[in-house]
Amino acid sequence: GNSVTQMEGPVTLSEEAFLTINCTYTATGYPSLFWYVQYPGEGLQLLLKATKADDKGSNKGFEATYRKETTSFHLEKGSVQVSDSAVYFCALSDRNSGSRLTFGEGTQLTVNP
Amino acid sequence: NAGVTQTPKFQVLKTGQSMTLQCAQDMNHEYMSWYRQDPGMGLRLIHYSVGAGITDQGEVPNGYNVSRSTTEDFPLRLLSAAPSQTSVYFCASSPGLAGADTQYFGPGTRLTVL
Repeated sequence: GNSVTQMEGPVTLSEEAFLTINCTYTATGYPSLFWYVQYPGEGLQLLLKATKADDKGSNKGFEATYRKETTSFHLEKGSVQVSDSAVYFCALSDRNSGSRLTFGEGTQLTVNP
Repeated sequence: NAGVTQTPKFQVLKTGQSMTLQCAQDMNHEYMSWYRQDPGMGLRLIHYSVGAGITDQGEVPNGYNVSRSTTEDFPLRLLSAAPSQTSVYFCASSPGLAGADTQYFGPGTRLTVL
């Protein structure tokens, strides 16, 4: 079956630091890959996605590249802000699962001023 | 558009009680789903629906029922609440069924079962 593994958290950074959150996956076929973000007290919202190998998703300064050879979709941002403090979820769906998402455990990010 | 709405925001139940968590979307989305969020476990799929009148089980369906009589509404019923069902519940919808579409989440319902 499908699975997603994220780096263990929590992650604490100072403002303007570089961020990487690792995500690797196991899936049948060619999945679509997503990063969702959950700000305190809110539901999840899409941060970025990639639907085929070598695609790069980007939004709000965050980037992630779909790497089929390493089955990875690591999230990066060059300079984090206090407002980026949130929980980040890596997720996938594949043709067999339709719109059903498989989520990683989530990574709590705290950015200090 | 209100997007995906959920009620109530918070609920406390006693073991054995039943209740319904409401979910509605005004985007005419085909696909709707319910997840539960537990610490260290990400989100796990409870039930989902690919259209009115069609529902199916997800990863953790036991103790929950759903129905989809209209495109807009997808209520989740707890038949006899147990402490293991203490969690945060999220409803989500997406326009298509192909898997690459964005899913839109509601704000969540925090449920405590005593």
